[in-house]
Amino acid sequence: SQTIHQWPATLVQPVGSPLSLECTVEGTSNPNLYWYRQAAGRGLQLLFYSVGIGQISSEVPQNLSASRPQDRQFILSSKKLLLSDSGFYLCAWSGGARSQPQHFGDGTRLSIL
Amino acid sequence: AQKITQTQPGMFVQEKEAVTLDCTYDTSDQSYGLFWYKQPSSGEMIFLIYQGSYDEQNATEGRYSLNFQKARKSANLVISASQLGDSAMYFCAMSPNYGQNFVFGPGTRLSVLP
Repeated sequence: SQTIHQWPATLVQPVGSPLSLECTVEGTSNPNLYWYRQAAGRGLQLLFYSVGIGQISSEVPQNLSASRPQDRQFILSSKKLLLSDSGFYLCAWSGGARSQPQHFGDGTRLSIL
Repeated sequence: AQKITQTQPGMFVQEKEAVTLDCTYDTSDQSYGLFWYKQPSSGEMIFLIYQGSYDEQNATEGRYSLNFQKARKSANLVISASQLGDSAMYFCAMSPNYGQNFVFGPGTRLSVLP
């Protein structure tokens, strides 16, 4: 069966520091991969999605970037974090067909001090 | 552009009663998928139920059913026999016919009272 791993679960970082969040999927090949951010008590904001290695689409202009160095690995990065980057970050994968749900990792709670 | 509306920011239901969470959507696609997710306080997003736009029967999964009214563009989630563990945020989402992205609604917070 397919599983998705996302780490770390929580992270506290100072303003201006770099960021790297990693997500890996097991048990499937060529998944669509997604990064979302969720502010407290709010809905999901799509940040990036990828349909293949090296293919990244950005939905929201910001100081974050994403990379997909391997088929089942998706990385969210920043060179210098802002206070506004605080939130709950979720990685997800899907098979890509219209009828297939997205499956989510457990999320990373990021606090910027 | 696709859009999901969930007009109930919060809902209360008594344990063992049924509850309906509303979802309306806007799309010009003829073919699309509709999904409901549950997010407990721990944060994980749990997939509950799927309805395809061409499915003639309403989807059911255990205590969850989807009341799909295509002409009204609504896809309401019905939870029967509510349990305390059903207390969570619930998100309605849509996948368009083309493109890779889901569109999520703002969510409804359900609280089940003992």
